[in-house]
Amino acid sequence: AQKITQTQPGMFVQEKEAVTLDCTYDTSDPSYGLFWYKQPSSGEMIFLIYQGSYDQQNATEGRYSLNFQKARKSANLVISASQLGDSAMYFCAMREDTSTGANSKLTFGKGITLSVRP
Amino acid sequence: GAGVSQSPSNKVTEKGKDVELRCDPISGHTALYWYRQRLGQGLEFLIYFQGNSAPDKSGLPSDRFSAERTGESVSTLTIQRTQQEDSAVYLCASHEGGAGANVLTFGAGSRLTVL
Repeated sequence: AQKITQTQPGMFVQEKEAVTLDCTYDTSDPSYGLFWYKQPSSGEMIFLIYQGSYDQQNATEGRYSLNFQKARKSANLVISASQLGDSAMYFCAMREDTSTGANSKLTFGKGITLSVRP
Repeated sequence: GAGVSQSPSNKVTEKGKDVELRCDPISGHTALYWYRQRLGQGLEFLIYFQGNSAPDKSGLPSDRFSAERTGESVSTLTIQRTQQEDSAVYLCASHEGGAGANVLTFGAGSRLTVL
């Protein structure tokens, strides 16, 4: 079974509007971390936001917020006030923590392409 | 160093040749990952090193692929007898390890083209 599912093949949003990028995950571990990365056409991987499974509040970083719904196992990224520079590929990722507290590998979804229209 | 450094940035090779890709992580980062990204695709996990623990090699696609890491420093990914399907960008990333978010910092990647 896929650990991280990103099913939206491509998203379009008008500049200055908000957009939600979907991510669902699958784990039986109680402790895990969820990440979103941005990859523009230049190819670099840019960290956007992190949510720990025990965090009580949804994570926010500037225009980025993470809509964390633990029971539904979803971790959607919300980008407010979209900018042309937000056009990129967006990846959701999960790290499951072992019973010893050590980290395990970070697993990525297949990504979503976001295009911002002027 | 200030960031994760990868070399070469571009490598063109002939089918059947061996290639070595190098990754120099951020100083002090105990964890190091290798990922493969084919054109227009997501990141495919290859291998994960964490301190002195045995590496997680579960993502290596075949025995032609191997990786080593000396202590908590440089790592080398070796692909033997390259095939055209090995053409991809190979990304290295590192993080501090220990408790906390452990956000991965990625290198710029090594683009491999197998003719």
